[in-house]
Amino acid sequence: DTEVTQTPKHLVMGMTNKKSLKCEQHMGHRAMYWYKQKAKKPPELMFVYSYEKLSINESVPSRFSPECPNSSLLNLHLHALQPEDSALYLCASSPTNGQGYTFGSGTRLTVV
Amino acid sequence: AQSVTQPDIHITVSEGASLELRCNYSYGATPYLFWYVQSPGQGLQLLLKYFSGDTLVQGIKGFEAEFKRSQSSFNLRKPSVHWSDAAEYFCAVVYGNEKLTFGTGTRLTIIP
Repeated sequence: DTEVTQTPKHLVMGMTNKKSLKCEQHMGHRAMYWYKQKAKKPPELMFVYSYEKLSINESVPSRFSPECPNSSLLNLHLHALQPEDSALYLCASSPTNGQGYTFGSGTRLTVV
Repeated sequence: AQSVTQPDIHITVSEGASLELRCNYSYGATPYLFWYVQSPGQGLQLLLKYFSGDTLVQGIKGFEAEFKRSQSSFNLRKPSVHWSDAAEYFCAVVYGNEKLTFGTGTRLTIIP
């Protein structure tokens, strides 16, 4: 299995909702990432998990809460989001040597 | 701080013509270098990567890239483009940590 699987593919949520994005990989990668991509912009790093521990938080607002339950799963919990948080959220994984990153197809999030 | 520059925001090429997309990186050390392609609304697909060794790297879909240390460049090339190559292309770098950083992207349009 050489894929990163993200669910759901599309999500519409209200500003008072709580939702979660899920990411799964079975390549044995021990580093996993969340990126946010706005339209016509490059992906921007949000969080990095290495060996199931949060190693990088790029000053992301607390309404985004990551979780890594095990080496194959990565979640992003969403609460009280703003319309400007609407974006494509990409998950990626890699070996910890930084030599290969595999991206999922993303979750298109719309906050209404 | 590490950075990567893609000087061309938008390039238009005729189908069958050759293509070169430019990428320059900053910082003293040689990073790991990547080229990704993204079709509208889709995730990122890895075209090729450079870590060390032979400076001419072959990738998927007929793409190649050449690492030039003297110019801090890693330009992407294809001898003959197809209409299906129309997409957004991102150069990305990793400088030995876990942060994959993207350039601003080049949008490629193919005309008949």
